[in-house]
Amino acid sequence: DAGITQSPRHKVTETGTPVTLRCHQTENHRYMYWYRQDPGHGLRLIHYSYGVKDTDKGEVSDGYSVSRSKTEDFLLTLESATSSQTSVYFCAISESKGRAEQYFGPGTRLTVT
Amino acid sequence: GENVEQHPSTLSVQEGDSAVIKCTYSDSASNYFPWYKQELGKRPQLIIDIRSNVGEKKDQRIAVTLNKTAKHFSLHITETQPEDSAVYFCAASGGSQGNLIFGKGTKLSVKP
Repeated sequence: DAGITQSPRHKVTETGTPVTLRCHQTENHRYMYWYRQDPGHGLRLIHYSYGVKDTDKGEVSDGYSVSRSKTEDFLLTLESATSSQTSVYFCAISESKGRAEQYFGPGTRLTVT
Repeated sequence: GENVEQHPSTLSVQEGDSAVIKCTYSDSASNYFPWYKQELGKRPQLIIDIRSNVGEKKDQRIAVTLNKTAKHFSLHITETQPEDSAVYFCAASGGSQGNLIFGKGTKLSVKP
């Protein structure tokens, strides 16, 4: 597996609390992505980054923010978690956009009660 | 924007049979079509991909075909084995941002 780690791997939190998920890579890839995976919906892009401090929205970005202050780290923040954000979150990296393989991290299972 | 439809959602085959999963896409500008395999509790992993200038690609028991005119592409697995059991996702790069858009997945079960 490519050098991608996610932390935490599991988290249970209460509605209304802030949550930050971390993705860390050792591959020096330019592009980093956050997806959520829900039954019946496949993988949906939340936000992505194309460089340090360069980020953009994906198809399901409402309620999420991201930051990338270093090439190797991409943070996903739920400012005020809701039950609809209970999901498995995957980080992915790629050398280029669109036409290159994306390597996925191990995932974070988040439960919002 | 791009939309990717994947069928069937579930597929059950006997060991040794072939399995075919089909995807259609809406954006004619899409030019990269990967397939990912996800075993239970694991991360998605690329198994094969095809670019728009190629009609077919094979890798051992796995092949992908692309029909740009009809805007559909398919995954073919021959001589299926129990370890092929997993969820398979197709994707297409498209839309104004060129990001990957994934299908909703096909759960393949291979019965011994």
